[in-house]
Amino acid sequence: SAVISQKPSRDICQRGTSLTIQCQVDSQVTMMFWYRQQPGQSLTLIATANQGSEATYESGFVIDKFPISRPNLTFSTLTVSNMSPEDSSIYLCSVVGTRAANEQFFGPGTRLTVL
Amino acid sequence: AQSVAQPEDQVNVAEGNPLTVKCTYSVSGNPYLFWYVQYPNRGLQFLLKYITGDNLVKGSYGFEAEFNKSQTSFHLKKPSALVSDSALYFCAVRGPTGTASKLTFGTGTRLQVTL
Repeated sequence: SAVISQKPSRDICQRGTSLTIQCQVDSQVTMMFWYRQQPGQSLTLIATANQGSEATYESGFVIDKFPISRPNLTFSTLTVSNMSPEDSSIYLCSVVGTRAANEQFFGPGTRLTVL
Repeated sequence: AQSVAQPEDQVNVAEGNPLTVKCTYSVSGNPYLFWYVQYPNRGLQFLLKYITGDNLVKGSYGFEAEFNKSQTSFHLKKPSALVSDSALYFCAVRGPTGTASKLTFGTGTRLQVTL
């Protein structure tokens, strides 16, 4: 299985600021995703991070609010821009393994609180 | 569109008793089905998957799940529950290869195992 790390693990931010979350995988992976888990809720897919091209966003999520970078096959960042308290969530990076293409692994998550 | 239903917000069971966490799904074509577990302040951990083959799938920590195509269900089971099994459990579905590797999650079921 892929080992995924995220930074920061948690943060408390002020309204109107931005936070960039980093995701590092210990091996090259074809597909990387960013999910949001709002308090007491299930996971919602924000976007698919595409290496070398713009991310593919799900309905309800836009690039201006959640810009994503993926410069190579092991690293991606998600920025939460112009934050409001409604953005308080756990943000999870996820990858599909190259050896087990049907298994999807998740990072430990970044717990964001916006005041 | 694919969807997953977990009809129970919480399941309570005594240690040593069998447990079942219910999941039903809706997807076009043959489903890829998954169970994940989330412990407090931790990311999602993969438990087991059904892709094809035997309808009874065995996974980590003694858990198993039974795929029932006619009932479109994939219930999670364990013969003897442990207090350490207490966590949040998510069922997820993905459509057949080619529909993009997007996982759709259920709302989660909190399992509480007591002495």
